[in-house]
Amino acid sequence: DAGVIQSPRHEVTEMGQEVTLRCKPISGHNSLFWYRQTMMRGLELLIYFNNNVPIDDSGMPEDRFSAKMPNASFSTLKIQPSEPRDSAVYFCASSHRLAGGIDTQYFGPGTRLTVL
Amino acid sequence: AQSVTQLDSQVPVFEEAPVELRCNYSSSVSVYLFWYVQYPNQGLQLLLKYLSGSTLVKGINGFEAEFNKSQTSFHLRKPSVHISDTAEYFCAVRTSGGGADGLTFGKGTHLIIQP
Repeated sequence: DAGVIQSPRHEVTEMGQEVTLRCKPISGHNSLFWYRQTMMRGLELLIYFNNNVPIDDSGMPEDRFSAKMPNASFSTLKIQPSEPRDSAVYFCASSHRLAGGIDTQYFGPGTRLTVL
Repeated sequence: AQSVTQLDSQVPVFEEAPVELRCNYSSSVSVYLFWYVQYPNQGLQLLLKYLSGSTLVKGINGFEAEFNKSQTSFHLRKPSVHISDTAEYFCAVRTSGGGADGLTFGKGTHLIIQP
């Protein structure tokens, strides 16, 4: 099993540039989560999808952030324009959520974003 | 809304000694509880989880945790640590039932194993 795949693993960009982070969930999983990890705020949930539909995006910090899940095997997190305070490690996680059941989230290796 | 407090940001322990990493949560509804481990430059890996039933939960790598509802705690323990246990450990909570499925994490505890 390949696990959750994220790309790129590292991204360095300049302030004002558009950044796109990509995630491929585990095959067969129907829930996908985007988290951000910073020293100051720890791990925070940004947004999650069930069956490709965004369910809760209350954690998305600003309108500069957007996420899409066009199909069950791919999701993107876009920041436009990027700012230095967006520098963080962004994790994608996926799970297989059954009706009335409890899912376990499996995390990808993360994308380390540095905005100069 | 729920929250998680990990009381120690850093815990140094000698190799082969026991360790306890503390976690307290706050929630107005029933919750599910998780411990994840993060090795340097890697993603998070599930150590164990409490959903219901026995309050003592056993996980991978010899770790276990005990759910204490009255004290709203879910402390992680290992009777004898190894150098390879050096990592960041995160406690997380999720509300049970329908609704929010995302995890709320604590700030993490860095476990440092000293030879």
